[in-house]
Amino acid sequence: AQKITQTQPGMFVQEKEAVTLDCTYDTSDPSYGLFWYKQPSSGEMIFLIYQGSYDQQNATEGRYSLNFQKARKSANLVISASQLGDSAMYFCAMREAFTGNQFYFGTGTSLTVIP
Amino acid sequence: DGGITQSPKYLFRKEGQNVTLSCEQNLNHDAMYWYRQDPGQGLRLIYYSQIVNDFQKGDIAEGYSVSREKKESFPLTVTSAQKNPTAFYLCASSMGSSEQYFGPGTRLTVT
Repeated sequence: AQKITQTQPGMFVQEKEAVTLDCTYDTSDPSYGLFWYKQPSSGEMIFLIYQGSYDQQNATEGRYSLNFQKARKSANLVISASQLGDSAMYFCAMREAFTGNQFYFGTGTSLTVIP
Repeated sequence: DGGITQSPKYLFRKEGQNVTLSCEQNLNHDAMYWYRQDPGQGLRLIYYSQIVNDFQKGDIAEGYSVSREKKESFPLTVTSAQKNPTAFYLCASSMGSSEQYFGPGTRLTVT
């Protein structure tokens, strides 16, 4: 079974609007971490935001927030006030405590911001 | 500045040749990783290492080899046994339960 599922291959959003990128995960480990990364066309992976499985509140970092719904095993990324520079691939990832330091990545969502 | 360096950025090789991709970090991270990314795809784990002189196979280790003789360095060799070596290769490192830091990547083209 896939550890991380991103069902939106491509998304479009109008500049200055908010957009939600979906991510669901599969684990039986009670201790895990969820991460979102941005990959511009240049190829580097940029860390955006982290949510721990025991965190009571949703993580926020500037215009990025993570909508963490533990019972539904979802960790959607919300980008507010989209900018043209937000156009990129976005990857959701998970790390489980019992598999040590191995990370699992989704297949990514390509976001295009329209002026 | 602390970070991860990968060299070279672009690499071209003839089929049948082994090639080694460099990855160096000065973040004092224990764990290091190699991923492969094909066009329009996600990241697939090749190998990872949690400590010096130890490493584990990832999902697609066949045709690749690694070494971890120093904490700072985790070179990846793409051998002639790898059937489709042309891809974008990303190296990463992490400490404890923190996020992974990535290098800029190496684009390998084998003809």
